[in-house]
Amino acid sequence: DGGITQSPKYLFRKEGQNVTLSCEQNLNHDAMYWYRQDPGQGLRLIYYSQIVNDFQKGDIAEGYSVSREKKESFPLTVTSAQKNPTAFYLCASSGRTESTYNEQFFGPGTRLTVL
Amino acid sequence: AQTVTQSQPEMSVQEAETVTLSCTYDTSESDYYLFWYKQPPSRQMILVIRQEAYKQQNATENRFSVNFQKAAKSFSLKISDSQLGDAAMYFCAYRSAPGTGANSKLTFGKGITLSVRP
Repeated sequence: DGGITQSPKYLFRKEGQNVTLSCEQNLNHDAMYWYRQDPGQGLRLIYYSQIVNDFQKGDIAEGYSVSREKKESFPLTVTSAQKNPTAFYLCASSGRTESTYNEQFFGPGTRLTVL
Repeated sequence: AQTVTQSQPEMSVQEAETVTLSCTYDTSESDYYLFWYKQPPSRQMILVIRQEAYKQQNATENRFSVNFQKAAKSFSLKISDSQLGDAAMYFCAYRSAPGTGANSKLTFGKGITLSVRP
């Protein structure tokens, strides 16, 4: 079945360590996104990519980095520079056909906890 | 920049009753899309309903319908015949229309937690 997978579901990190969250999609979508969700904050955009080998900063990009070497994959690295990384992270993707209103499809998320 | 406001953090509804969730937004664009997403306890985001700004007719999907008031920049979600499975957090979201030169990102409100009483 087509969809978006994120791994791992739960991730624990020690302070000062970088960690990479995986996001893979087999929907043949061009665009991919990373959001951070905190209680009472809704979803905030970290980075997005509309095409392979290109990506843009979202509203809260500081302390994060991404790559987009393949259409199917958009990994997010949480660096030690991110001051408060404990959160729920959601990956999404969207196509470009007008008939789908460019709806964003979401993965199941990764819960990152810094110990 | 566009903003989306959901001013009610929590709401409760009796099973089988109707509930309306409010959303307002601010934009200078004339063409855009609006969405309601549902996030149940599993935390999987699910699209509930979408609306194109240039369409005057309000969107409907089974028990879910919207009241889109473009001039007032209001986009409320009505859930009829509420079911226990409707209990979730609901997010309102805004997206610029393709071809406007704007990017494809979504701007979300902070969400509203809906509980359903049996």
